Amino acid sequence: QSVLTQPPSVSGAPGQRVTISCTGSSSNIAAGYDVHWYQQLPGTAPKLLIYGNINRPSGVPDRFSGSKSGTSASLAIAGLQTEDEADYYCQSYDSSLSVWVFGGGTKLTVL
Amino acid sequence: QLQLQESGPGLVKPSETLSLICTVSGGSITSDNYYWGWIRQPPGRGLQWLASIHHSGNTYHNPSLKSRVTISVDTSKNQFSLELFSVTAADTAVYFCARLNADYRRFDYWGQGTLVTVSS
Repeated sequence: QSVLTQPPSVSGAPGQRVTISCTGSSSNIAAGYDVHWYQQLPGTAPKLLIYGNINRPSGVPDRFSGSKSGTSASLAIAGLQTEDEADYYCQSYDSSLSVWVFGGGTKLTVL
Repeated sequence: QLQLQESGPGLVKPSETLSLICTVSGGSITSDNYYWGWIRQPPGRGLQWLASIHHSGNTYHNPSLKSRVTISVDTSKNQFSLELFSVTAADTAVYFCARLNADYRRFDYWGQGTLVTVSS
């Protein structure tokens, strides 16, 4: 079981907006450690999508946005496109375990 | 453009040692603002951070792997390495090397990954 909890799957139609949640605890997200999001297309390495809770690396469309509040963070994807179908992972640092931790991943299906 | 490339055996026998090398190109491994790390992904499952190292020699290990993991850096070759001892079938995974950016502590560049299977 992952330290950061994500829903196993979400889905949406093209053009719609979906959100993926990432729930942690007092030793990671709520402790103030940043949350980052990665997109993993089938058979490829994860790609950094959002860093520092809300920031997009150069080249990432502004359809992707992040937020953080309390013990949770969220990734929002607006204007869904078929190429957004992928697994999405959140990541932070846990001070009680002294490890960089990932969520269990969420599979996004674009219907 | 920074690139990372994993290399090593794709098949390791149970109880033996898994050894991987990550070669960094397009940038120096001795930049002070970066750490270098290993992350693995068992088939069909999520990501697990294993270890990270700074060119100065500072290392961080995942305690869940106890003393089975070592990470090292060779600045002359712009490479860093992973050794995982006493492997079992549970260590079968795709192993990724990645750069850990000290700003925000994010993994901002990844290798393509290499599948290592533990089997006799």
